[in-house]
Amino acid sequence: NAGVTQTPKFQVLKTGQSMTLQCAQDMNHNSMYWYRQDPGMGLRLIYYSASEGTTDKGEVPNGYNVSRLNKREFSLRLESAAPSQTSVYFCASRRGQGKAEAFFGQGTRLTVV
Amino acid sequence: TQLLEQSPQFLSIQEGENLTVYCNSSSVFSSLQWYRQEPGEGPVLLVTVVTGGEVKKLKRLTFQFGDARKDSSLHITAAQPGDTGLYLCAGARDDKIIFGKGTRLHILP
Repeated sequence: NAGVTQTPKFQVLKTGQSMTLQCAQDMNHNSMYWYRQDPGMGLRLIYYSASEGTTDKGEVPNGYNVSRLNKREFSLRLESAAPSQTSVYFCASRRGQGKAEAFFGQGTRLTVV
Repeated sequence: TQLLEQSPQFLSIQEGENLTVYCNSSSVFSSLQWYRQEPGEGPVLLVTVVTGGEVKKLKRLTFQFGDARKDSSLHITAAQPGDTGLYLCAGARDDKIIFGKGTRLHILP
């Protein structure tokens, strides 16, 4: 069972470079999320998509864009990477709202130098 | 401003001791969840509490939801080294899931 798959697992970028983090889920979930995790900060919501065709900003959206390509895939793009975006990025999905469980990928460790 | 405040941030105790971790908010949530995260992995759900005053037990872990549905606690009895990890509380707000900063727990053998 694949669950939530993120690629790549590791990435090093130079300041100003762009890249897209990919996320795919095979559980037919409606909602998908992108979080970043920094030491001592827990998980902070960047963007989310409640359903195919919709995206909304979370707590820390500046410097990022997202695309909900279809029900399975939700990508996160950094147009011009900055050292402050060095973090571990997690994608998650869940069936619906409220008390539904969120399932997470294994994360992408991004370093911007 | 963090919507969900967790305390303590770090806790290091001896095997066999009991501990309690707290998750507090000024806002009401329809449900709160507790996740556990191990190094190099994404968080995994432990429990969801929905009703004010609800208590749920998962082996040596006891979860409680406050009567006003603004806070929750996680109590571990006779902690084991296998309990070591990052514990995160999360609240659902519309379509969003908001996390606290987490409690990093280290159980010493």
